[in-house]
Amino acid sequence: AQKVTQAQTEISVVEKEDVTLDCVYETRDTTYYLFWYKQPPSGELVFLIRRNSFDEQNEISGRYSWNFQKSTSSFNFTITASQVVDSAVYFCALSETANQAGTALIFGKGTTLSVSS
Amino acid sequence: DTGVSQNPRHKITKRGQNVTFRCDPISEHNRLYWYRQTLGQGPEFLTYFQNEAQLEKSRLLSDRFSAERPKGSFSTLEIQRTEQGDSAMYLCASSLGVGGNQPQHFGDGTRLSIL
Repeated sequence: AQKVTQAQTEISVVEKEDVTLDCVYETRDTTYYLFWYKQPPSGELVFLIRRNSFDEQNEISGRYSWNFQKSTSSFNFTITASQVVDSAVYFCALSETANQAGTALIFGKGTTLSVSS
Repeated sequence: DTGVSQNPRHKITKRGQNVTFRCDPISEHNRLYWYRQTLGQGPEFLTYFQNEAQLEKSRLLSDRFSAERPKGSFSTLEIQRTEQGDSAMYLCASSLGVGGNQPQHFGDGTRLSIL
């Protein structure tokens, strides 16, 4: 069965600290996609990144970086030099491509990040 | 490029009433999804359309729930005989389906409160 686990419920940091949000997934498929979304207090889910199961290269985008390790079924997200505007709930999600028809996202429960000044 | 639009933003109703929500996806997106999110949880998938065809339904979608996308553009989600447990945020997302799993773009959601 597909499952996404975000073990950290809440994280609090002070501005400029680095913070890593953990994501562990379970799937029996060999082809799948992983996503991270940000949900600020306003409520809209904002897409951050998509990674397919064949691409294990780490990715960096500004202060954001993602570490994908198939061996440990993890897709962790690091924010460098955090800012108050990073305060939000962050969701990791999984989708499988078994039927190639476009599939549902399976979300973790989210990690609430609070960055104080 | 306007994003996914949902209305109303908030709906308060008495138990037993019917409610209907609307979602307007990003214009060129042929795939449309409905999710439900309760407090402290991640969104849970309800149903999915490709153009006007409803291709997938979750077990969460009881008989009281029905969704339509009549012309492959906007979609409606109706809940009949609402129950307390239906209180949640209902999220709509859309994506461009050209194979593989394209990112889903979400609207602001409709928050439903059942009195």
